[in-house]
Amino acid sequence: EAQVTQNPRYLITVTGKKLTVTCSQNMNHEYMSWYRQDPGLGLRQIYYSMNVEVTDKGDVPEGYKVSRKEKRNFPLILESPSPNQTSLYFCASSPMSGPKFYEQYFGPGTRLTVT
Amino acid sequence: AQKVTQAQTEISVVEKEDVTLDCVYETRDTTYYLFWYKQPPSGELVFLIRRNSFDEQNEISGRYSWNFQKSTSSFNFTITASQVVDSAVYFCALGLTQGGSEKLVFGKGTKLTVNP
Repeated sequence: EAQVTQNPRYLITVTGKKLTVTCSQNMNHEYMSWYRQDPGLGLRQIYYSMNVEVTDKGDVPEGYKVSRKEKRNFPLILESPSPNQTSLYFCASSPMSGPKFYEQYFGPGTRLTVT
Repeated sequence: AQKVTQAQTEISVVEKEDVTLDCVYETRDTTYYLFWYKQPPSGELVFLIRRNSFDEQNEISGRYSWNFQKSTSSFNFTITASQVVDSAVYFCALGLTQGGSEKLVFGKGTKLTVNP
């Protein structure tokens, strides 16, 4: 089954304790992206990756890191989480084909609480 | 600047009513893509439709229809004969390809409640 998986689905942590949220897709997609969803703000892009070893900042990258060492994986790293990073996080992937923009496939979401 | 506005924060209807969700976008690009996603109470994001800027043909899929008007920069979504299962948050999004990169800009969403 074609899918995007995220782990963990739920996480409660404390301020300053480094954490990683994993994201993996099995569709051989070039493009992967992380979003955060906050009430009243919709989804905002954190980072994205056009392919292996190619990453770039989205609209709200502060406090986050990413890496793309393999095509299927795109982990999101919070080196020193703070309460304002409490949010619902989505990973997404899509194929890339020239100038076309295909729909993104989203993971199930990770609900993160930082106390 | 690229922006998507969904002016309706919440809409409540009674089952079998028709409902239209508004979406207005802003971009200076001539090539762009528009999307609608559904987020049911379970939380996942479900893709509904993709439309490129050169295709203004309206689309119908069962009870769902979409009206794309470049003249007013709008991409509205209508649900005919709404059902309780349509209750969800609906997001409109603008997709742009710039300098080889892709960017997806979401609206803030419209929460639709369909009451029995």
